[in-house]
Amino acid sequence: SQQGEEDPQALSIQEGENATMNCSYKTSINNLQWYRQNSGRGLVHLILIRSNEREKHSGRLRVTLDTSKKSSSLLITASRAADTASYFCATRSSSGYSTLTFGKGTMLLVSP
Amino acid sequence: ETGVTQTPRHLVMGMTNKKSLKCEQHLGHNAMYWYKQSAKKPLELMFVYSLEERVENNSVPSRFSPECPNSSHLFLHLHTLQPEDSALYLCASSQDRGRYEQYFGPGTRLTVT
Repeated sequence: SQQGEEDPQALSIQEGENATMNCSYKTSINNLQWYRQNSGRGLVHLILIRSNEREKHSGRLRVTLDTSKKSSSLLITASRAADTASYFCATRSSSGYSTLTFGKGTMLLVSP
Repeated sequence: ETGVTQTPRHLVMGMTNKKSLKCEQHLGHNAMYWYKQSAKKPLELMFVYSLEERVENNSVPSRFSPECPNSSHLFLHLHTLQPEDSALYLCASSQDRGRYEQYFGPGTRLTVT
């Protein structure tokens, strides 16, 4: 069953603007991860946030996690054309010894 | 990106052919994965190997046959595929199954004619 669902499905912004993507999930998680995929390529891990963490930063990326709402957001500040890609959230359930479940992704287009 | 390599990068095959996809990881990880990515669909987990043992097989048709001869190599053997099997096949590895981030290869773009 699908766990993470990203919103919006597509986002188009200008260079320099901030981009915010959201992810909602259904079951309790151990951690939530964000990945980026350039067209037709493999996924690249961006950031991992554990269930006991509320916020994490990495360069221009800021991830928040609200376990009470079962949601996470990815903020990219001062976007660049090179940030154009699809962004996926993936969750690891807290029950059992499960693997990651990916959402359908948000396609981000950053125009110069 | 060189941590996980996949060959070939592109493959066109007829429905009666037999081919294999290869994945190699140079990261010393214990878990390896095959995913299928089709247009407009979430990434689908196909197989998981942990310490060379297959631990998950998500209802994948038998025309897909995985093989993990050692912890660094993973194969996906293909035979009598269908056109709907055309997709991007991604290999990934992680230090441990599920707990850590996954490192992906560049994928093999498969077209079945």
